[in-house]
Amino acid sequence: AQSVTQLDSQVPVFEEAPVELRCNYSSSVSVYLFWYVQYPNQGLQLLLKYLSGSTLVKGINGFEAEFNKSQTSFHLRKPSVHISDTAEYFCAVSGSGGYQKVTFGTGTKLQVIP
Amino acid sequence: DSGVTQTPKHLITATGQRVTLRCSPRSGDLSVYWYQQSLDQGLQFLIQYYNGEERAKGNILERFSAQQFPDLHSELNLSSLELGDSALYFCASSSEVFNEQFFGPGTRLTVL
Repeated sequence: AQSVTQLDSQVPVFEEAPVELRCNYSSSVSVYLFWYVQYPNQGLQLLLKYLSGSTLVKGINGFEAEFNKSQTSFHLRKPSVHISDTAEYFCAVSGSGGYQKVTFGTGTKLQVIP
Repeated sequence: DSGVTQTPKHLITATGQRVTLRCSPRSGDLSVYWYQQSLDQGLQFLIQYYNGEERAKGNILERFSAQQFPDLHSELNLSSLELGDSALYFCASSSEVFNEQFFGPGTRLTVL
């Protein structure tokens, strides 16, 4: 079985400050990892994904995440946040290879303070 | 635009009623997933269909059912509605090669 833990339910941060949203996963097999973003009153959209290769993954809107196998983590980072980044962020994991079940975390609400 | 469409956008109904939510997946995607999102429960996986067959079940109540049709669109049926069923219902379709899911805009259900 696989699971995802997002320890922080809410993260307030000032505009133009850096941010890190934490994600830890548990799986007995190799994994694919995803970050999704949900803006208010919208569906989730894919921010970035790790499938294989380089452990540093770059996504849309200046976000990046680093896959750390030894620490089973996939933390999301942005060096300087904007008001428009205010949203809920979901980490997700699946087994590697196709047709695998995807498990979502409980989400982290990022609030950017002007 | 994810390519996944959901109708209706909003639905207001009364307790005890039955509603049907509709989802059309992205072109070429064979899998459809249904999720419920509420303030107290967060994002909950309900059920997955793959090419017309039920593939996985999550926290779906017995009052809820779904199906996927030959043209791959899917419907989620919610019956004997209760106040607690008020939530956002999302449909997603999947690229099965890499498991990434593409979400629709959701249907907001309000049960009065």
